[in-house]
Amino acid sequence: DTAVSQTPKYLVTQMGNDKSIKCEQNLGHDTMYWYKQDSKKFLKIMFSYNNKELIINETVPNRFSPKSPDKAHLNLHINSLELGDSAVYFCASSPSYNSPLHFGNGTRLTVT
Amino acid sequence: AQSVSQHNHHVILSEAASLELGCNYSYGGTVNLFWYVQYPGQHLQLLLKYFSGDPLVKGIKGFEAEFIKSKFSFNLRKPSVQWSDTAEYFCAVNPGGSSNTGKLIFGQGTTLQVKP
Repeated sequence: DTAVSQTPKYLVTQMGNDKSIKCEQNLGHDTMYWYKQDSKKFLKIMFSYNNKELIINETVPNRFSPKSPDKAHLNLHINSLELGDSAVYFCASSPSYNSPLHFGNGTRLTVT
Repeated sequence: AQSVSQHNHHVILSEAASLELGCNYSYGGTVNLFWYVQYPGQHLQLLLKYFSGDPLVKGIKGFEAEFIKSKFSFNLRKPSVQWSDTAEYFCAVNPGGSSNTGKLIFGQGTTLQVKP
């Protein structure tokens, strides 16, 4: 069983479109995260939720909106996609703030 | 602001060579330290972590790391690398204690290429 699963794995879309990436974890963790990995492989946190409550909102454009319907799910919706949004987006979860993160397999988003 | 610096961006070794990857962080308080590995096309996996106690920590696949508080360093080592160790290695930090929000700050990553 996949612990942190993201869909889709690949997403190719045109500028200006709206898209969503879904994330689910079956580990029973309270905290979930979205990280962005750019073309130079640098990883930066975007958001975190703890038990459906927004905890971290880094300086991310408001075109990005996370939604956590329950503590096992954290989806990422992106409006008006831009070329610079092309990256790999990783979902992760952890049982507590002091615990290591468990990462999903990533979603490679390509905006053309 | 907190930051993590990995000195080696690209390392090329032959099999059986010893490995040491440098990691320094800037944060004055209690920290939790991690090394993650990302094999080609895969997600990040935890190699090892340090929270407290013995500063020499052992991880999976023969990796170890040493926390030197006075140097703000957490270098990763392996005595003898294998071709299968070819991957991207990331050092990461989050502040421990009550100010911790779980936010991991990553270094830029080190690409390790092991030649057979």
